[in-house]
Amino acid sequence: RKEVEQDPGPFNVPEGATVAFNCTYSNSASQSFFWYRQDCRKEPKLLMSVYSSGNEDGRFTAQLNRASQYISLLIRDSKLSDSATYLCVVPATNAGGTSYGKLTFGQGTILTVHP
Amino acid sequence: DVKVTQSSRYLVKRTGEKVFLECVQDMDHENMFWYRQDPGLGLRLIYFSYDVKMKEKGDIPEGYSVSREKKERFSLILESASTNQTSMYLCASRSDRGYSPLHFGNGTRLTVT
Repeated sequence: RKEVEQDPGPFNVPEGATVAFNCTYSNSASQSFFWYRQDCRKEPKLLMSVYSSGNEDGRFTAQLNRASQYISLLIRDSKLSDSATYLCVVPATNAGGTSYGKLTFGQGTILTVHP
Repeated sequence: DVKVTQSSRYLVKRTGEKVFLECVQDMDHENMFWYRQDPGLGLRLIYFSYDVKMKEKGDIPEGYSVSREKKERFSLILESASTNQTSMYLCASRSDRGYSPLHFGNGTRLTVT
């Protein structure tokens, strides 16, 4: 299994739709996870952090399933401005299970929201 | 707000030139990173540093070196630029505290001709 794996999409959805992305990870010792959003030709920006079973921020919900080793991102009531690439990020850990600052990025999922 | 500043937004260099990409962060973060991003390949880690004068190779260190003489500054050096190093280079920093996210600079688009 790859360290971090995402469905690259693209996902094409109409405005107002609900869309969900999944991300699987291989290191069971990972404790925290992140979703980043990246617009074309811009740097990635933090969207959400996921520490426990999940959290919610407005239209965005992130969930963590440790048993199956995946995290998901749910976007409700999609807006045109949600069109972007969504990156799943997992901390790397050494053999002892200690995070030493390095993070691993998924390839990203492309979302296009159309009128 | 954390600010990560990269010295150049766009850079054009010739094959064989020595190239320096500079990155400065203002939040006293212990960890700093250099990534490159290419279409279809995602973000790939070149080098990272977890302390002053400390560095670790990432996934694609060949052709690059780094320098971290001060905590706030992390430099990426292309010893002899080649056309296959044409890419978007992203610097990032991260605190050691808790489960801290990465904060990115706005990137340097390097073209080697």
